[in-house]
Amino acid sequence: GNSVTQMEGPVTLSEEAFLTINCTYTATGYPSLFWYVQYPGEGLQLLLKATKADDKGSNKGFEATYRKETTSFHLEKGSVQVSDSAVYFCALSVPGGSYIPTFGRGTSLIVHP
Amino acid sequence: EAQVTQNPRYLITVTGKKLTVTCSQNMNHEYMSWYRQDPGLGLRQIYYSMNVEVTDKGDVPEGYKVSRKEKRNFPLILESPSPNQTSLYFCASSPIRGDGYTFGSGTRLTVV
Repeated sequence: GNSVTQMEGPVTLSEEAFLTINCTYTATGYPSLFWYVQYPGEGLQLLLKATKADDKGSNKGFEATYRKETTSFHLEKGSVQVSDSAVYFCALSVPGGSYIPTFGRGTSLIVHP
Repeated sequence: EAQVTQNPRYLITVTGKKLTVTCSQNMNHEYMSWYRQDPGLGLRQIYYSMNVEVTDKGDVPEGYKVSRKEKRNFPLILESPSPNQTSLYFCASSPIRGDGYTFGSGTRLTVV
């Protein structure tokens, strides 16, 4: 079956630090990969996505590259802000197969001033 | 504004009293889904729907019902709520199978 593994948090950083949140996956077929962000008290928001190998998704300074050879989709940001404090979810779905998407457990990010 | 609207945002109820959480989307999406979010367990899918009158079970369907009579609406029904259904619930929709979801703001349900 499909699965997504994220690094456990919380990840605690100072403002302007470099962020990496690791995500690896296993899937049958050729999945599309996603990162979602959940700010406190809110629903999940789609942050970025990539649909094929070597694609790079980017949004709001965040980036992630679809690495088929390492089955990874790590989230990065060069300089985090306090406002980036949230929970980040990696997810996949396989177009053409069952539509049940698979989410990781989420990684909490705390950014201190 | 494109959105998924859930109601209510907060609900406290007693064991066994039937309740419905509504979900409506204004984006003409075919796919809709319900999730519950619990600490340490992440997001778990309850039910999903690929179109009107087409629904299927997710990972944790026990104790829940859904219906999809119209494309825009996908209510979640708890016929006889129990305390283990205390959770944060999210409705989500998507235009294309395998595309990213738009989530509602959530419904925090407490069953006492």
